[in-house]
Amino acid sequence: RKEVEQDPGPFNVPEGATVAFNCTYSNSASQSFFWYRQDCRKEPKLLMSVYSSGNEDGRFTAQLNRASQYISLLIRDSKLSDSATYLCVVNSNNAGNNRKLIWGLGTSLAVNP
Amino acid sequence: DGGITQSPKYLFRKEGQNVTLSCEQNLNHDAMYWYRQDPGQGLRLIYYSQIVNDFQKGDIAEGYSVSREKKESFPLTVTSAQKNPTAFYLCASTSLGQGSNYGYTFGSGTRLTVV
Repeated sequence: RKEVEQDPGPFNVPEGATVAFNCTYSNSASQSFFWYRQDCRKEPKLLMSVYSSGNEDGRFTAQLNRASQYISLLIRDSKLSDSATYLCVVNSNNAGNNRKLIWGLGTSLAVNP
Repeated sequence: DGGITQSPKYLFRKEGQNVTLSCEQNLNHDAMYWYRQDPGQGLRLIYYSQIVNDFQKGDIAEGYSVSREKKESFPLTVTSAQKNPTAFYLCASTSLGQGSNYGYTFGSGTRLTVV
């Protein structure tokens, strides 16, 4: 089983749609969780951290379910500019190596006019 | 403005040649990382360093070397031993201080092509 798994997509949605991405992770000791966004041929950029109580930033909502080892990202009222690959990222939290992030392969989103 | 700078943006290497990719940060971050990304693939860790004068191999270190003589700098050398070096190389850094959430900041990357 991969340490971080995501549905690769692609997700094709119309403008204004709501879309949700899911991610599962294998290390129950992980403590830090993130969603990054990567545009084509660019570097990944931090979209948001994911907190235990869930958190929202404008149209974006992130949720964490530790019992199921599951993270989600919800995008409401999709914009054309939301088209990108969304990367689920988890801190490995292994002894002696607890600063390493484990990266999912990403979920591709295309928002269509 | 604080940030992380990679250079060059594009690099062409001849077969059998060593090349060095530069990565500099002025964020006062403790840890620095080198990743490789191939088309349609995820990020793969090459090397990382959490403190000056110390570094560890990542998942695909063969054919690469690094140094960390200064906190701000973490250059990556792609040696002739790396058989398939054409890829997008990304450098990242993060703070390890208390209260840090360990999220990474990335440079804008170097595209290396073997000609």
